[in-house]
Amino acid sequence: AQSVAQPEDQVNVAEGNPLTVKCTYSVSGNPYLFWYVQYPNRGLQFLLKYITGDNLVKGSYGFEAEFNKSQTSFHLKKPSALVSDSALYFCAVRDSTGGGNKLTFGTGTQLKVEL
Amino acid sequence: DTGVSQDPRHKITKRGQNVTFRCDPISEHNRLYWYRQTLGQGPEFLTYFQNEAQLEKSRLLSDRFSAERPKGSFSTLEIQRTEQGDSAMYLCASSPLAGPQETQYFGPGTRLLVL
Repeated sequence: AQSVAQPEDQVNVAEGNPLTVKCTYSVSGNPYLFWYVQYPNRGLQFLLKYITGDNLVKGSYGFEAEFNKSQTSFHLKKPSALVSDSALYFCAVRDSTGGGNKLTFGTGTQLKVEL
Repeated sequence: DTGVSQDPRHKITKRGQNVTFRCDPISEHNRLYWYRQTLGQGPEFLTYFQNEAQLEKSRLLSDRFSAERPKGSFSTLEIQRTEQGDSAMYLCASSPLAGPQETQYFGPGTRLLVL
């Protein structure tokens, strides 16, 4: 079975400061990992994914994520947060073997960026 | 290039009524997915189609739920005899046929409220 944990319900950061949103995963095979962002009353917007290769993945809007196989983590990062980054962030995983094609999502982390 | 569209965006119904939602995927995307998202939770997989074939269904998809994709283009999700517990956001996503590492692109969702 595949699963994702997002240990923080909410992350607060000041504008201009770096941000990190944490994600850990569990799969049987190799993981395909995704980050999505959701604004109020909207669907999910794709940010970035890790499939294979370089452990540091760069995505939309200046976001990046680091895959760490030994820690089974895929934390989302941004060097300098903007107020407009405030939203709900979801980490998701798909197992390369036996997980079918469905994504399994974490419970989400609310990011609040303050002036 | 238009994204995934869903109709209606909002639906209020009385318990016991039937409802039907429509999803139009990104053109030429072979795969179409349905997820359900309740308040404070991440999306949960319901079912997915490859072209017109329904290939996987979650145990969350009770007998009251049925999904179709008759011509391999748009899809409908019907809920019969709605219950208050069906109140949720229903999200549709589509992806190209590129293997399990493909990216799923989400629509804006249909928010259902069962009174």
